[in-house]
Amino acid sequence: NIVLTQSPATLSVTPGESVSLSCRASQSISTSIHWYQQKSNESPRLLIKYASQSISGIPSRFSGSGSGTDFTLSINRVESEDFSIYYCQQSYSSLYTFGAGTKLELK
Amino acid sequence: QVQLKESGPGLVQPSRTLSLTCTVSGFSLTSYGVSWVRQPPGKGLEWIAAIWSGGSTDYNSALKSRLSISRDTSKSQVLLKMNSLQTEDTAMYFCARSYVYYGFPLGYFDFWGPGTMVTVSS
Repeated sequence: NIVLTQSPATLSVTPGESVSLSCRASQSISTSIHWYQQKSNESPRLLIKYASQSISGIPSRFSGSGSGTDFTLSINRVESEDFSIYYCQQSYSSLYTFGAGTKLELK
Repeated sequence: QVQLKESGPGLVQPSRTLSLTCTVSGFSLTSYGVSWVRQPPGKGLEWIAAIWSGGSTDYNSALKSRLSISRDTSKSQVLLKMNSLQTEDTAMYFCARSYVYYGFPLGYFDFWGPGTMVTVSS
């Protein structure tokens, strides 16, 4: 199984700060990584597909980068609605796996 | 518009079989894949199984012996059965859509249902 390790587990920030969330794969997965946002008691929402491809309707402050084993989700100038949990997910293997998540919280 | 809606029994006794239904609208099951993903309370996401536009299936290898996924295209429904339930199967169960490009599944989930909570308890 491909293991995805997300860091940090929790990130405390103030609105207006820019942040980077990391996702590292246990083997090279090209750009087969996708990012989701999950707010409390809601289903996940797709933010970025294939490492860096934008999704219609998602604010432009969200961007993704990386290839191989190291990936980053960046949020430019965090807004109050962004405080939630972020998950990465790989589709390189037909056994899809998710990272454990990074919780973005208000400092 | 695209919608997915899960339904299930809510409470299941240990060792019994779970049956879940995902009813979709706004797209065709012969053009898109549908997966089941679960989330235990306070924990992360786990992909369980998928059925693709052509009817082929994939399963999480750790759960495969207990799972069966199927579909009824006339009803726009995807069905998941999981047997030998244990307390650790207690979770929110989501169904989610995947795009299939010329028969090749694009492995991201662009639409999700709200989820159905399953509690395994006697």
